Amino acid sequence: QQKVQQSPESLIVPEGGMASLNCTSSDRNVDYFWWYRQHSGKSPKMLMSIFSNGEKEEGRFTVHLNKASLHTSLHIRDSQPSDSALYLCAASIGGSALGRLHFGAGTQLIVIP
Amino acid sequence: GGIITQTPKFLIGQEGQKLTLKCQQNFNHDTMYWYRQDSGKGLRLIYYSITENDLQKGDLSEGYDASREKKSSFSLTVTSAQKNEMAVFLCASSRGLEQYFGPGTRLTVL
Repeated sequence: QQKVQQSPESLIVPEGGMASLNCTSSDRNVDYFWWYRQHSGKSPKMLMSIFSNGEKEEGRFTVHLNKASLHTSLHIRDSQPSDSALYLCAASIGGSALGRLHFGAGTQLIVIP
Repeated sequence: GGIITQTPKFLIGQEGQKLTLKCQQNFNHDTMYWYRQDSGKGLRLIYYSITENDLQKGDLSEGYDASREKKSSFSLTVTSAQKNEMAVFLCASSRGLEQYFGPGTRLTVL
């Protein structure tokens, strides 16, 4: 069964708008969450990671984590057409220090100029 | 910095054929991975290896074999290609938790 669920499956926002993407784990043993971005025809690249409760901001991107609800969210403010991509959430589960990540199915973000 | 190379970039096979994909990394990372990605979808782990000659099954290992010949290289074999199969196979490496991905091999089975 999928250990990481993402919503929505796809999201369309106007240029300059706010995009909000969600990710939840079904496994209480989750340690860390990661967000990867994959532009069309390219390979995934790590965007942000979050390990402890709270919020982390990097430029236009903000990640929230609520460990009690096993939920993380990625918010992109002032969205740009170049932000259009598949956003993948990943989690490390069960103290897997060996680096095994569980990926969600992704959210396809489209930013309309 | 470093780089991951995957060969071939495109692979066309026939139903039932055994096909091999190769991956090389010069990060000197310990752990390497093979993922399958169907069009516009997430990544499914096929095999991973935490060191030379080690192999760990992922969630999608049936129908595949893998080999970690040395620290820098990791091969994946599709044991019997399925008709009309189309997917991108991504290789990745890591030391710790952050994974770095190669450009992918795009497989089409006729």
